Amino acid sequence: DTAVSQTPKYLVTQMGNDKSIKCEQNLGHDTMYWYKQDSKKFLKIMFSYNNKELIINETVPNRFSPKSPDKAHLNLHINSLELGDSAVYFCASSQGGGSDTQYFGPGTRLTVL
Amino acid sequence: GEDVEQSLFLSVREGDSSVINCTYTDSSSTYLYWYKQEPGAGLQLLTYIFSNMDMKQDQRLTVLLNKKDKHLSLRIADTQTGDSAIYFCAESFTGNQFYFGTGTSLTVIP
Repeated sequence: DTAVSQTPKYLVTQMGNDKSIKCEQNLGHDTMYWYKQDSKKFLKIMFSYNNKELIINETVPNRFSPKSPDKAHLNLHINSLELGDSAVYFCASSQGGGSDTQYFGPGTRLTVL
Repeated sequence: GEDVEQSLFLSVREGDSSVINCTYTDSSSTYLYWYKQEPGAGLQLLTYIFSNMDMKQDQRLTVLLNKKDKHLSLRIADTQTGDSAIYFCAESFTGNQFYFGTGTSLTVIP
């Protein structure tokens, strides 16, 4: 009964392709997030989203778009993949925003060739 | 944006105490957290402290918060080889904002 799950765990693809990473949480949380962790292990928030508001980190290229079919899912779609997109992507969720604790998924390692 | 800094590396001998430090610039956060990331795994919440507390103890973990100096620390007593991991501090603010530190890689030497 994994709380926050992501698929796939590993994704290897060619430059220029479009890919999606799926995230599901069974915690009943209202807010979900996507983070990017680069090769130096720096963790940066990309998006936070609840059913009312999408907050985008302004440094994220518009090739990245979150899509939420329902409250339990927040998928990350990436268009025209570039070499620099190679990283580990983490999904997280929290009950609300702000002070609420975030629970992380296991991560998806994306490699762009 | 907020700046959260940590030392990149720390090595300790098994059985010693480890102290991982974190400094931040915005003191209006509501909660501060410590996360652990083992190799190839996601982040695991270790503990958190409300911003109006000074200290929190949870078994081998002790969190100290000095709001005046904007300094957060995590002390791990009797450090074990299984504690080797990357440790991230984080702050949360109203409006769905979280900021993570740069991470400290802890190596425990047997």
